[in-house]
Amino acid sequence: DGGITQSPKYLFRKEGQNVTLSCEQNLNHDAMYWYRQDPGQGLRLIYYSQIVNDFQKGDIAEGYSVSREKKESFPLTVTSAQKNPTAFYLCASMGDGGELFFGEGSRLTVL
Amino acid sequence: ELKVEQNPLFLSMQEGKNYTIYCNYSTTSDRLYWYRQDPGKSLESLFVLLSNGAVKQEGRLMASLDTKARLSTLHITAAVHDLSATYFCAVDVRGGADGLTFGKGTHLIIQP
Repeated sequence: DGGITQSPKYLFRKEGQNVTLSCEQNLNHDAMYWYRQDPGQGLRLIYYSQIVNDFQKGDIAEGYSVSREKKESFPLTVTSAQKNPTAFYLCASMGDGGELFFGEGSRLTVL
Repeated sequence: ELKVEQNPLFLSMQEGKNYTIYCNYSTTSDRLYWYRQDPGKSLESLFVLLSNGAVKQEGRLMASLDTKARLSTLHITAAVHDLSATYFCAVDVRGGADGLTFGKGTHLIIQP
């Protein structure tokens, strides 16, 4: 079935460590996105990529990095520079009508 | 600065009642989306509204868009417990594939 796969679902990190969240899609979509969700809040855009080998910062890119080496993959690295990384991270891709399709999410907790 | 505001942010209602959630946005856009999120889960697409006057209905939910007023509504008819969730509206204001801007969500609890 077509969709977006995020891994891991749950991740614990010690302070000072970098972690990478995986996002893979088989929908053949060009544009992919990373959002962050905090409890009781909406989604905030971290990074997005409209095409392979190109990506742009969203509203809260500080402390994060991404790569887009393949159309299917858009991994997000949460670096030690991110001061408050505990959150729910959602990866999405955009369909033809501008609609976003989301993965199941990755919940990151800093110990 | 773009703002997408939902009202109310929290709503507790009884089964069988009708209610409306409002989504206002602060800049011109012809595209608005509604999503549903269950606790601990991802977002599920409900409605895609792509033009002024667009109306979509699915079961007990109906969404509409007034681009001149910069307002979308999500109307719930004869609510049932299974509709308890958080509902988000999102607006495409950047153009192209620059992503959607989300409201803070409306946490809806429907009590028997």
